[in-house]
Amino acid sequence: EPEVTQTPSHQVTQMGQEVILRCVPISNHLYFYWYRQILGQKVEFLVSFYNNEISEKSEIFDDQFSVERPDGSNFTLKIRSTKLEDSAMYFCASRGRHYGYTFGSGTRLTVV
Amino acid sequence: GESVGLHLPTLSVQEGDNSIINCAYSNSASDYFIWYKQESGKGPQFIIDIRSNMDKRQGQRVTVLLNKTVKHLSLQIAATQPGDSAVYFCAEIPPGGYQKVTFGTGTKLQVIP
Repeated sequence: EPEVTQTPSHQVTQMGQEVILRCVPISNHLYFYWYRQILGQKVEFLVSFYNNEISEKSEIFDDQFSVERPDGSNFTLKIRSTKLEDSAMYFCASRGRHYGYTFGSGTRLTVV
Repeated sequence: GESVGLHLPTLSVQEGDNSIINCAYSNSASDYFIWYKQESGKGPQFIIDIRSNMDKRQGQRVTVLLNKTVKHLSLQIAATQPGDSAVYFCAEIPPGGYQKVTFGTGTKLQVIP
């Protein structure tokens, strides 16, 4: 069964540093997403990406965040200057023309 | 603002019994709903979905019921198994809003062997 792959599974970074979270969506999917989940809280939408541009973003997705699809297979989330409150699980998801999303297993980001 | 919420944060069920997980949604215009299962350390996994023009949809051991009158969703799991232990989220998608899924807080299902 096709999977969404995320790397790394765990990232520890110092406050103020830049991090790049990587995702390989399902190959024939068209829509790509980043969500995050702070420990013990619900999954929150960050951004959606379609046709090489952001189609929607949440209030969380401020100027410190950016997304990129640098080639035909990768989809990245960059946090320019991490804050303690950025510590969370970050989930990448993709979908085809239907509504069903496929989520990756997540990257646990710990900012110290 | 619009929100999706769950009534019970934790549900303990004896193995073999049926489980019912409830969800209230607030956007009466939402036309698509999904139940996700999240196991520890993993991403949300699609279980079953339902469109707003349906009241009930059945899958393998799972049934989703939609009551639009009271804006309520439920997920029924038949013959609950230890592998069903996870956090269950409902999610709603408003019309034209399939770029963004709004998740509920989640209900933790604990299956007692």
